[in-house]
Amino acid sequence: AQSVAQPEDQVNVAEGNPLTVKCTYSVSGNPYLFWYVQYPNRGLQFLLKYITGDNLVKGSYGFEAEFNKSQTSFHLKKPSALVSDSALYFCAVRSQGTGGFKTIFGAGTRLFVKA
Amino acid sequence: DTGVSQDPRHKITKRGQNVTFRCDPISEHNRLYWYRQTLGQGPEFLTYFQNEAQLEKSRLLSDRFSAERPKGSFSTLEIQRTEQGDSAMYLCASSFSAPYNEQFFGPGTRLTVL
Repeated sequence: AQSVAQPEDQVNVAEGNPLTVKCTYSVSGNPYLFWYVQYPNRGLQFLLKYITGDNLVKGSYGFEAEFNKSQTSFHLKKPSALVSDSALYFCAVRSQGTGGFKTIFGAGTRLFVKA
Repeated sequence: DTGVSQDPRHKITKRGQNVTFRCDPISEHNRLYWYRQTLGQGPEFLTYFQNEAQLEKSRLLSDRFSAERPKGSFSTLEIQRTEQGDSAMYLCASSFSAPYNEQFFGPGTRLTVL
């Protein structure tokens, strides 16, 4: 069965510092991995995805994520956090194999960036 | 096309009543998904469509839930005989066909069952 774990309910970071939001997954076969962000009173927005190839993926708003197959992780990173990055972040996985188009989301990590 | 839209944005109903939600996806997208999200949780998959065909339905979806996409464009999600446990945000998303494509989400319909 597919699953996603976001081990931290909340991450606090000071503005200008690097941030990391953690994600680990379990899936049959190779994964497609996604990060989405949800701002208050707004729908989920796509940030970036891993399909294949280069393990470091770059996305919107300066975010990037590193795919690590041996650790089954896909951590979201940003070199320098902004207060406006404060939001709810969701990691999601879909199997490239027999999982169809069902996408499994993690429970989310709330990021607080303090000025 | 400005994105995925959902109607209504909020619905308050009494236990036992039926409710219906509508989703209008991005017009070029042929896949459409429904999710449910409760406080403190990520979106939970309910069902998805390829054009008008409903291809997968979550085992969590009871017989009281039904979804349609009659012409492969907009979709409706109906909940019959609502229960207080149905209170949640119902999200709709759409995407292009390939499985590596990201989904575009609507703003959601918040259902409160009294």
